[in-house]
Amino acid sequence: EPEVTQTPSHQVTQMGQEVILRCVPISNHLYFYWYRQILGQKVEFLVSFYNNEISEKSEIFDDQFSVERPDGSNFTLKIRSTKLEDSAMYFCASSKLNTEAFFGQGTRLTVV
Amino acid sequence: AQTVTQSQPEMSVQEAETVTLSCTYDTSESDYYLFWYKQPPSRQMILVIRQEAYKQQNATENRFSVNFQKAAKSFSLKISDSQLGDAAMYFCAYSFGNEKLTFGTGTRLTIIP
Repeated sequence: EPEVTQTPSHQVTQMGQEVILRCVPISNHLYFYWYRQILGQKVEFLVSFYNNEISEKSEIFDDQFSVERPDGSNFTLKIRSTKLEDSAMYFCASSKLNTEAFFGQGTRLTVV
Repeated sequence: AQTVTQSQPEMSVQEAETVTLSCTYDTSESDYYLFWYKQPPSRQMILVIRQEAYKQQNATENRFSVNFQKAAKSFSLKISDSQLGDAAMYFCAYSFGNEKLTFGTGTRLTIIP
């Protein structure tokens, strides 16, 4: 069964460093998303991506964040100059038109 | 803006019994989607069930069913014959078309053996 794949599963980084979280969406999906979940809190929307451009972004998704689909399969989230409060689980998701979103297993980001 | 409210932070149920998790939402749209996602300790988000707002019939998936009350903007999840593997956080979520999912704060479900 096709699935969304995220790498790495866990990333530890020093405060101020840049990190890139990687996702391979399901191959025939058109819509891509990043969500964040701080431990013990609800899942928050970061950004959606369609037709090679951002379709919506939340207030959280400021200039520190960027997304890219560098080729036909990968979808990346870059966080520049990480802060302690960026520590969270980051989920990638993808969907087809008017269908449910399928989530990857998440990347746990720890900023120290 | 759309909001999703889950008023039960924690619920518990005896194994093999039935439990209902509550969810209400607010939207000005007439055609939208509602979901229940399960998050076990591994923290992966797993789709449990989906409901299209234009469908009057409540969705069912094996032991999982929903009670969708569109006028009341209520979307509860019923789990029948609860099993130990059902223990998890359950999130109710809303979306309009392929726009973002808006999640509730979750309900932690404990299964008592």
